[in-house]
Amino acid sequence: GQQLNQSPQSMFIQEGEDVSMNCTSSSIFNTWLWYKQEPGEGPVLLIALYKAGELTSNGRLTAQFGITRKDSFLNISASIPSDVGIYFCAGHSGWYSGGGADGLTFGKGTHLIIQP
Amino acid sequence: DTAVSQTPKYLVTQMGNDKSIKCEQNLGHDTMYWYKQDSKKFLKIMFSYNNKELIINETVPNRFSPKSPDKAHLNLHINSLELGDSAVYFCASSQLGTKRQFFGPGTRLTVL
Repeated sequence: GQQLNQSPQSMFIQEGEDVSMNCTSSSIFNTWLWYKQEPGEGPVLLIALYKAGELTSNGRLTAQFGITRKDSFLNISASIPSDVGIYFCAGHSGWYSGGGADGLTFGKGTHLIIQP
Repeated sequence: DTAVSQTPKYLVTQMGNDKSIKCEQNLGHDTMYWYKQDSKKFLKIMFSYNNKELIINETVPNRFSPKSPDKAHLNLHINSLELGDSAVYFCASSQLGTKRQFFGPGTRLTVL
């Protein structure tokens, strides 16, 4: 089956630093999504990307859909304590205009830990 | 109001028992999903379902079965529970075609 390689696995950063993480795949995805999960909660959708090359921001978060359709990046600027959590990339290979009801393929997550 | 809700939040049971987890969404979505998150936090699709088709991940044992009484609900039934079924199970929903899936808070299942 399809697999997503997400890196880094964990990040220990200082408050105020910028954060970058990425996902790569051996196969093409037509939709990339980024989620954040906090302890005891479900994943929360941060950003959805639908077109190769698309760059989308959500506050201090910026994500890009790679031109090859095989990768995506998430950047967080000026990190704050509430950014702590696990960030997941997820891909879907169906076409935006339709396709089946199949689910997302998730990366293994990036654990973000912020040191005061 | 909660968009995607699941009950129970925690479920502790003995091996061999049969149990169900309920999921409801009030987003008006037409597609619902079940995911399993293991102890290493890896999320894997188990089922996706809309009123036209059920798509099953081939790795899911047939002891697991989704049942949808209506468009807003997708319950997960598990027969003959095994130790390896211990995990967090998440329900999600989306509008077919958007791929933006919204997740419930999860049900932590512990099989003793």
